[in-house]
Amino acid sequence: AQTVTQSQPEMSVQEAETVTLSCTYDTSESDYYLFWYKQPPSRQMILVIRQEAYKQQNATENRFSVNFQKAAKSFSLKISDSQLGDAAMYFCAYRSSGSSGDKLTFGTGTRLAVRP
Amino acid sequence: EPEVTQTPSHQVTQMGQEVILRCVPISNHLYFYWYRQILGQKVEFLVSFYNNEISEKSEIFDDQFSVERPDGSNFTLKIRSTKLEDSAMYFCASSEARGGGLKNIQYFGAGTRLSVL
Repeated sequence: AQTVTQSQPEMSVQEAETVTLSCTYDTSESDYYLFWYKQPPSRQMILVIRQEAYKQQNATENRFSVNFQKAAKSFSLKISDSQLGDAAMYFCAYRSSGSSGDKLTFGTGTRLAVRP
Repeated sequence: EPEVTQTPSHQVTQMGQEVILRCVPISNHLYFYWYRQILGQKVEFLVSFYNNEISEKSEIFDDQFSVERPDGSNFTLKIRSTKLEDSAMYFCASSEARGGGLKNIQYFGAGTRLSVL
């Protein structure tokens, strides 16, 4: 079974600065998808960014980018120019692309605080 | 922008009672999911549903749980006899497809907070 580990329960960043959230995962599969979801105080899960394992190029979405290291099974999220609205819980998630199903397996989350 | 809608936002029930949590997935989506998040813990998969059948379920999804798509728009999660430990946030999600590409992205609703007293 796949597992996702987020070793930073809490992080803090100064507004306009850059922060990196860590995620590692364990899988025996070669093809899969990785996601970062944001959960603000409203509790809704919002997709931030997505990476396909077969793509070597790191995904980017505006101020959000990932550092995907397939051999190391690492998938970190970098938030540049942090804004107050970035304060939220961030979950890393794994999804198989094969016959083992399409459920998302989540990490335990990192709570990000943004200091004004 | 289309979104997944869940009702109610908060449901309070007595232990042993039946509850039905409702979800309206995005209209052209074919794959539906329920997840739950016990307060302070990670989000856990419960069940996936496609073509009026359960595709996959977790160990959490025991005989007390059932899902249904009663019409063309709603997707429901029923808990037959609630327990205290069922108290959690329940999220519905939907995706357009499985497999590769952007169509496999799961979009989540805002959740229903279930409180079992």
